[in-house]
Amino acid sequence: EVQLVESGGGLVQPGGSLRLSCAASGFTFSRYWMTWVRQTPGKGLEWLANIKPDESEIHYAGSVEGRFTVSRDNAKNSLYLQMNSLSAEDTAVYNCVRLVAMVRGVLNIDTFDMWGQGTAVTVSS
Amino acid sequence: DIQMTQSPSSLSASVGDRITISCRASQNINIFLSWFQKKPGKAPNLLISAASTLQSGAPSRFSGSGSGTDFTLTISSLQPEDSATYYCQQSYRSWTFGQGTKVQIK
Repeated sequence: EVQLVESGGGLVQPGGSLRLSCAASGFTFSRYWMTWVRQTPGKGLEWLANIKPDESEIHYAGSVEGRFTVSRDNAKNSLYLQMNSLSAEDTAVYNCVRLVAMVRGVLNIDTFDMWGQGTAVTVSS
Repeated sequence: DIQMTQSPSSLSASVGDRITISCRASQNINIFLSWFQKKPGKAPNLLISAASTLQSGAPSRFSGSGSGTDFTLTISSLQPEDSATYYCQQSYRSWTFGQGTKVQIK
């Protein structure tokens, strides 16, 4: 069974740091781009970062660039998100997501085909 | 950034009804559009990719259409288990989501 399980969420003070982990199973993790997406009641779903299988390409949303760092360990089938300088606006459920490309004629269309259930992060004093 | 706007923000319908959810992109995104179903406490579930391709395992009552800037998700015969929030998402340039449409069963 394909599965993504996040961990590491919790309560953190403003300005603090947190490291999230995602354990993948049921598929060849080292072959896939991976993604972090968060969900908040106010802003809905927000893409945060992508990482290529060999880590040679990484992309960040403007809202987290410079504060968040995505990494992976293919030997451990794990994805990570290091979050620094956290503020109340970062309070959310953080999801680990697998990205795949669907071929439609000459188009390669990305989609998020597998999601973890998420880990909740609360930034509050 | 490409903005995605869904309508309506919520709807209530009866079992067996045909319902449609609209999603509009702020610029042409070809068919770089996916639809997800999200139930409380559960992971989002991919229903449709490339605007109209039904994912394996998704019920055939779900269908997607559109290209360019205007897209539609249709549920042909609403079932109780379809109570959820539905999101569209573009992947033409970066990745952005609509604000969601909450579907409730009367």
